[in-house]
Amino acid sequence: GAGVSQSPSNKVTEKGKDVELRCDPISGHTALYWYRQSLGQGLEFLIYFQGNSAPDKSGLPSDRFSAERTGGSVSTLTIQRTQQEDSAVYLCASSPMGWFDSPLHFGNGTRLTVT
Amino acid sequence: GDSVTQMEGPVTLSEEAFLTINCTYTATGYPSLFWYVQYPGEGLQLLLKATKADDKGSNKGFEATYRKETTSFHLEKGSVQVSDSAVYFCALPSQGAQKLVFGQGTRLTINP
Repeated sequence: GAGVSQSPSNKVTEKGKDVELRCDPISGHTALYWYRQSLGQGLEFLIYFQGNSAPDKSGLPSDRFSAERTGGSVSTLTIQRTQQEDSAVYLCASSPMGWFDSPLHFGNGTRLTVT
Repeated sequence: GDSVTQMEGPVTLSEEAFLTINCTYTATGYPSLFWYVQYPGEGLQLLLKATKADDKGSNKGFEATYRKETTSFHLEKGSVQVSDSAVYFCALPSQGAQKLVFGQGTRLTINP
């Protein structure tokens, strides 16, 4: 079946512009995660959704970052007034219930470059 | 807080060599431990896991044993192949939180 789909796969934007990154999880997966992967860094947790609620948004780096999920499905990560340090690969993952129940299924990521 | 430390890469080996990628962790209690792998152009996927101390996880010829005495979960393979070239991540669940904490990843390249 279809896996986790992220779009766009690549995004180049100018400093100060807003960007939206989209994640389509596997159908029926209630848990959805956003991570950020920077060169030389690990995977940095950003936010976790269970259904449409975000019980853990502790990893969002600043108030320029926000995310929402609608219909228990598609999620959008928005970065306002992008900065060069926002350049990274943004990964989305989904799971039927949560990490403890079954493996996380990751998308291929969106590579964001802020010039 | 809970954390994972992996050996720094990149690691380059010849085909059929023995592989060890070190992973140590800091955690409250004895959480499950995971290895995820990211092949070129693909998303991360679970490679193996161990749910309690002394458990051995295995998959695709890879093994890792949960050692609570040394707080380690080293990944091993007896004879690597070119197709094993990928980035490997060690991970554990954050105490009290429904998320996985990942190490920084180790890039492995296998030359024919």
